[in-house]
Amino acid sequence: DAGVTQSPTHLIKTRGQHVTLRCSPISGHKSVSWYQQVLGQGPQFIFQYYEKEERGRGNFPDRFSARQFPNYSSELNVNALLLGDSALYLCASSLIPATGGYGYTFGSGTRLTVV
Amino acid sequence: QQQVKQSPQSLIVQKGGIPIINCAYENTAFDYFPWYQQFPGKGPALLIAIRPDVSEKKEGRFTISFNKSAKQFSLHIMDSQPGDSATYFCAASGIQGAQKLVFGQGTRLTINP
Repeated sequence: DAGVTQSPTHLIKTRGQHVTLRCSPISGHKSVSWYQQVLGQGPQFIFQYYEKEERGRGNFPDRFSARQFPNYSSELNVNALLLGDSALYLCASSLIPATGGYGYTFGSGTRLTVV
Repeated sequence: QQQVKQSPQSLIVQKGGIPIINCAYENTAFDYFPWYQQFPGKGPALLIAIRPDVSEKKEGRFTISFNKSAKQFSLHIMDSQPGDSATYFCAASGIQGAQKLVFGQGTRLTINP
């Protein structure tokens, strides 16, 4: 079975540009969450989506947006990129948002470098 | 109140030793405490998790100890192996709408042969 798939694996963008990151959840999983992991730190929650609706948003500026499609895949969009947006962006999927003791399954992430 | 504080930042242990990583939290609404293991270039992988109604949980060589009154929990790795060298994150979540995880800062563990 395929795990959580994220694309691209790496990309380099220039300040001010826009970026779109993609995530395909595990088959059957209907909830997708996005996390930002800055080098040397723990992941920070950005968004959670379930059944195509936003279920939670972390403390990130409006430059960050996301959506979930009917097939449960998801996109994370970041506008007007700043150097500080350089990070590993992680997608996690779960059956439903309230997964109790089972937690999420994370993808390997997209490494975004802003120059 | 949403923070989870993790220590130490880095840890070096000889093979067979028992590394211990500690975490502390403030928010009493947290009710799920997982530990994640992350290798370079990979996403975090769930290792073991505990709920606050038990004080200890063991899975293989990994043990979580939980002290609800002190709002602290720790990970012990028995008979550590070089393959356990990775970054370990504690996390916490609660029933507050979205099941977001609040992560600690991470501990880079090195097991020397």
